[in-house]
Amino acid sequence: GAGVSQSPRYKVAKRGQDVALRCDPISGHVSLFWYQQALGQGPEFLTYFQNEAQLDKSGLPSDRFFAERPEGSVSTLKIQRTQQEDSAVYLCASSPARDPQETQYFGPGTRLLVL
Amino acid sequence: SQQGEEDPQALSIQEGENATMNCSYKTSINNLQWYRQNSGRGLVHLILIRSNEREKHSGRLRVTLDTSKKSSSLLITASRAADTASYFCATSGSRLTFGEGTQLTVNP
Repeated sequence: GAGVSQSPRYKVAKRGQDVALRCDPISGHVSLFWYQQALGQGPEFLTYFQNEAQLDKSGLPSDRFFAERPEGSVSTLKIQRTQQEDSAVYLCASSPARDPQETQYFGPGTRLLVL
Repeated sequence: SQQGEEDPQALSIQEGENATMNCSYKTSINNLQWYRQNSGRGLVHLILIRSNEREKHSGRLRVTLDTSKKSSSLLITASRAADTASYFCATSGSRLTFGEGTQLTVNP
């Protein structure tokens, strides 16, 4: 079956531009997560949705980062006025469990480069 | 901040050898998970071990958990070149917290 998909796979943005990253979770998965992964590092938690409710956004690094999942399926991570330090791989994961501690299924990521 | 710390940071072995990676963490956990990440790809879940379990197997993988020492190990037996990847442990709190990973290279 289809796994988690993300688009675009690569995005180059000029500093100050707004970007929108899309995540299509596995169908029927209740939970959806966004992570930021810097080069050579492990993923860092950004935010978590259970259906359409954003239950934890404590990992978002600044108010330039905004995520939504309006219908409890597809999610969009938006970064406003991008900065060079935003350059990273943004990973989306989904899970059939309501418990965020259970197994997560990851997409391939979107590699964002801010020039 | 990342709770899990993997050791070693990098490991290079020959095909057929066993690879052992370790993970240490600081606070109490409900479970600990291991994930693999091939270069430029997303993470793939390997195994989940709960806090009341001491050892778990899956194919060529063996995971141990010692909650008294707050540590876990991942053993890959009879390694193959295709096992070349980064391996991350993730500890559960209110959410998963990943370590910085071990880069495993298996030379043919």
